Amino acid sequence: NAGVMQNPRHLVRRRGQEARLRCSPMKGHSHVYWYRQLPEEGLKFMVYLQKENIIDESGMPKERFSAEFPKEGPSILRIQQVVRGDSAAYFCASSMGQGNTEAFFGQGTRLTVV
Amino acid sequence: AQKVTQAQTEISVVEKEDVTLDCVYETRDTTYYLFWYKQPPSGELVFLIRRNSFDEQNEISGRYSWNFQKSTSSFNFTITASQVVDSAVYFCARISSNTGKLIFGQGTTLQVKP
Repeated sequence: NAGVMQNPRHLVRRRGQEARLRCSPMKGHSHVYWYRQLPEEGLKFMVYLQKENIIDESGMPKERFSAEFPKEGPSILRIQQVVRGDSAAYFCASSMGQGNTEAFFGQGTRLTVV
Repeated sequence: AQKVTQAQTEISVVEKEDVTLDCVYETRDTTYYLFWYKQPPSGELVFLIRRNSFDEQNEISGRYSWNFQKSTSSFNFTITASQVVDSAVYFCARISSNTGKLIFGQGTTLQVKP
């Protein structure tokens, strides 16, 4: 049973380009969470999705960031027109349900904007 | 905001010393869960423990132990006889019971010197 898979592990983008980060949850998990870790900081919640629905996007920047979790395929975190300040590690976690259920984390995608 | 506070930014010890990492949390929830994660230099997040707010028993796992004090809203983590491999950033987190998102502390960087 594979764990949470994130790809790519490392992503380099020039300012103004788009970044697409993928997260395949653990088998049987229908809840996905995205977190961002800026350099030298802790992890901050971005968005919580359940299949085809955004449940909580209170941590998402208002512009340029979007997330989806389609019925088929991985969850995608999309950052348009990236800026240097978007450079961070982006972690995805999946769980079977919300609340007290343990979430399993992926290895993270390290985005560098040059 | 119902935050998680890790007051110690960095701790440096010599191998075989005991070390305690502090964590204080805020919550208005009656039921909640607390977590500790380890982030080694390789960057992934390693789950260490989950603690239910109804269970105030201290827990020991090998060289690791956790002291949950509901009266002081603290969930401290002690490593006994520290080893160089314990060098990492340690995060304390609380789960939001209604959405399942994790609220992380800022992290404590532990350096264990040989």
